[in-house]
This record gives sequence, C-alpha cells and structure tokens, in this order.
Amino acid sequence: SQQGEEDPQALSIQEGENATMNCSYKTSINNLQWYRQNSGRGLVHLILIRSNEREKHSGRLRVTLDTSKKSSSLLITASRAADTASYFCATVTYTGNQFYFGTGTSLTVIP
Amino acid sequence: DTAVSQTPKYLVTQMGNDKSIKCEQNLGHDTMYWYKQDSKKFLKIMFSYNNKELIINETVPNRFSPKSPDKAHLNLHINSLELGDSAVYFCASSLGGYDQPQHFGDGTRLSIL
Repeated sequence: SQQGEEDPQALSIQEGENATMNCSYKTSINNLQWYRQNSGRGLVHLILIRSNEREKHSGRLRVTLDTSKKSSSLLITASRAADTASYFCATVTYTGNQFYFGTGTSLTVIP
Repeated sequence: DTAVSQTPKYLVTQMGNDKSIKCEQNLGHDTMYWYKQDSKKFLKIMFSYNNKELIINETVPNRFSPKSPDKAHLNLHINSLELGDSAVYFCASSLGGYDQPQHFGDGTRLSIL
C-alpha cells in the first residue's frame, strides 16, 4: 500500500518545546500534504509541498521533503497546548490520481 | 458560515438498515469526497466526485453509493448496514483535484447495533 507511515505514533512534549513528526511513503509523489485533526473534529489542511520543493514554512510550521528518501517531516516550533491534535501526512501519487493518508501522529502538548 | 457541513453528527442504527448521510459545501468547490476513519484513526478515501467523474475506491463495498443532486452536495447512501461499517465518515471538498487542499466536515459517527 502507498499509505504513508508516520512516526512517532504518539508524542508528548512540554509547552514551548519543538515537535517533530515524520512521514515515509513508498512510491513517487506529485505532492505531499499535512493535516491536523483535533479531537472530535474534521481535518484541517496545514501545508502542501510539491515534489520539486524541499522546504516550506507557514507560521510556526516547517515542512521538509526528501524525495530520494521518500520522507517528509513536520516541525512545530514553540508548541502550545492548542497544538494538541493528531497530525496526518497525505500523499498524491505521481500520476495525480490516487490519494492516501498516513497513519498519523498523536501530539500532546502539556501546559 | 460552515464551509463543509454534514448531517447527522451521530447515527445509531440496527444492522441491516439503510441510511444516508448528507454533505453540503458552500465553498464553490467542484470536487467532493467521502472518507472513512476507523477506530484506529486510519483514514481511507471512499469516493471522489466532480461533475465529470466519479472515482470509486475499489475496496469499497457496493452497498455504499454516493449521490450528488448538484455541485454543492454529495450524499452517502449505505444499504444493508453491517457491524464493520461502524466508523466516522468525513465529507470533504476541494477546488480541483488532489493537488489542492481539502476542506473537511466534522464527521458523522456511525454506530451499528
């Protein structure tokens, strides 16, 4: 399956610390996206990074993509309690016609 | 002002029943999706649909069928519900295809007794 695998499965940090989560996938991609899901809510799109890009920033979020290693990472700097959520990567295959979510990382930020 | 709204939020029903979940988006998007999220939070796309094409995930049983009365609505109809259908179902929409960010509803939690 193309479904991405994320690690760690769960991460617990203190407020103010940085959180890094990783996503690995299996086949060539067109783009990779990161989403956040708060408990009991739908997913919220965070960042989209295309296969020809290596790094993108949005506020306290930094996403990197290494297509040679078929992996991506999401860094959240200066974490806040409100960042507590599950984070999912999602890959779009090179042909653009298939879409898969990763297994997710559950982040807990302790105030 | 809700961008993607689903109803009902909770659905509890007996095995063997037929049920529908409604989804509406007011974003002017032309592609809508249905996802299933299981108890381990695995998300799987079930359908993607725009006014030109319906793409069905081949693993989805044909008891599940999407129905789109217009561009802003994509309802999910499920026949002969089974215990394994218990999950949270999410509707989403995007402007264009998979290379665009998707906007999600808050989900419908389906419980089969």
